[in-house]
Amino acid sequence: GAGVSQTPSNKVTEKGKYVELRCDPISGHTALYWYRQSLGQGPEFLIYFQGTGAADDSGLPNDRFFAVRPEGSVSTLKIQRTERGDSAVYLCASSLRELAESYNEQFFGPGTRLTVL
Amino acid sequence: KQEVTQIPAALSVPEGENLVLNCSFTDSAIYNLQWFRQDPGKGLTSLLLIQSSQREQTSGRLNASLDKSSGRSTLYIAASQPGDSATYLCAVTLDRGSTLGRLYFGRGTQLTVWP
Repeated sequence: GAGVSQTPSNKVTEKGKYVELRCDPISGHTALYWYRQSLGQGPEFLIYFQGTGAADDSGLPNDRFFAVRPEGSVSTLKIQRTERGDSAVYLCASSLRELAESYNEQFFGPGTRLTVL
Repeated sequence: KQEVTQIPAALSVPEGENLVLNCSFTDSAIYNLQWFRQDPGKGLTSLLLIQSSQREQTSGRLNASLDKSSGRSTLYIAASQPGDSATYLCAVTLDRGSTLGRLYFGRGTQLTVWP
């Protein structure tokens, strides 16, 4: 596709359930990022993939959060034992590459709005 | 830790005014700075990206400047229109090790342009 896509657009779940959020980056983009945006706040970094590996997962809030990118394209953010505080918009972004000569411009998807009841 | 601050938090102006949105950051060792626009319930649209070696970038009615040493950037919107109403976010990446790439965001400026 032409841009970053995310599914589902909305997810409502109950406290304690497991959820998966999917991100399809722009074709050919090797870098992929997950951010979380709470109401009235700017997005906060969660995890960054370069290819298949997580180059920086320091933003994951705790071990209930996990993300994978097994083939270096699509990524899945997984949240176990969801809590009400996990409610937020989860944004995915991709960029062409991360090198000194690259502008590293990030392109964002529309986000997944997660509501934990 | 990089802290990004945006002033004002909200701005409401009549159509046609020229606007200035401010962004400041605490760690001047940045790789680049991006300005984004976010419409309600939508994702982020990149407006301008300024490399750390650049002073400004222009796109149409938008002009962004960067003063890296003082930790400041300004987004200038000329001849504002109601369609410019949105939240404007400033974000930086650090020029350092594994943090290269992750964006540090401000909380945004919510702009309303009324006809």
